[in-house]
Amino acid sequence: EIVLTQSPATLSVSPGERATFSCRASQAIDNNLAWYQQKPGQAPRLLIYEASTRATGIPARFSGSGSGTEFTLTISSLQPEDFAVYHCQQYDRWPLTFGGGTKVEI
Amino acid sequence: EVQLLESGGDLVQPGGSLRLSCAASGFTFSSFAMSWVRHAPGKGLEWVSTSSGNGDNTYYADSVKGRFTISRDNSENTLYLHMHSLRAEDTAIYYCAKDRRTLAGTEMDFWGQGTLVTVSS
Repeated sequence: EIVLTQSPATLSVSPGERATFSCRASQAIDNNLAWYQQKPGQAPRLLIYEASTRATGIPARFSGSGSGTEFTLTISSLQPEDFAVYHCQQYDRWPLTFGGGTKVEI
Repeated sequence: EVQLLESGGDLVQPGGSLRLSCAASGFTFSSFAMSWVRHAPGKGLEWVSTSSGNGDNTYYADSVKGRFTISRDNSENTLYLHMHSLRAEDTAIYYCAKDRRTLAGTEMDFWGQGTLVTVSS
């Protein structure tokens, strides 16, 4: 099973700042990685797939990068609505796995 | 507009059974793989199971293999999760999710609001 390790567990930032967090895979997964945003009481929302492609309707301030085992999600200028938990997911091989999440808080 | 509506979550005793349903609309249901993902309190998301578009191919997490069965009725646009021998560690919100592509085992582009399963005596 491919283990995804997200860091940091919690990121404290202010609105307008840049936020960067990472997802590390225990084995190489090419670019078969997605990022999701989840707000309290809501379902996850797909942000990024294939490591760097924004999903439909996702603002340009969200960007993803990486390949192999190291991946990064960057929010260029945090908006109030961006405070949430961010999950990465690999779909290179079964079983599909998620990281433990990074909480972005003020 | 894609909509996924889960139902069937409940409080059940350890060892009990439950069937979750997910009613889908707004897309050609039979053309896409569908998945169940759960979120236990204080933990990360956990993939549970995926069904290919025609239901011929199914995949399971080791933690539920042999106890849970995924199925779908493409004539009714509905996905199911049959859960047996439930354990306390199965307590979670269960989400139904649509795979973005036809191929099973990819990113999930639409999610339902979830249904709560609590396993407790």
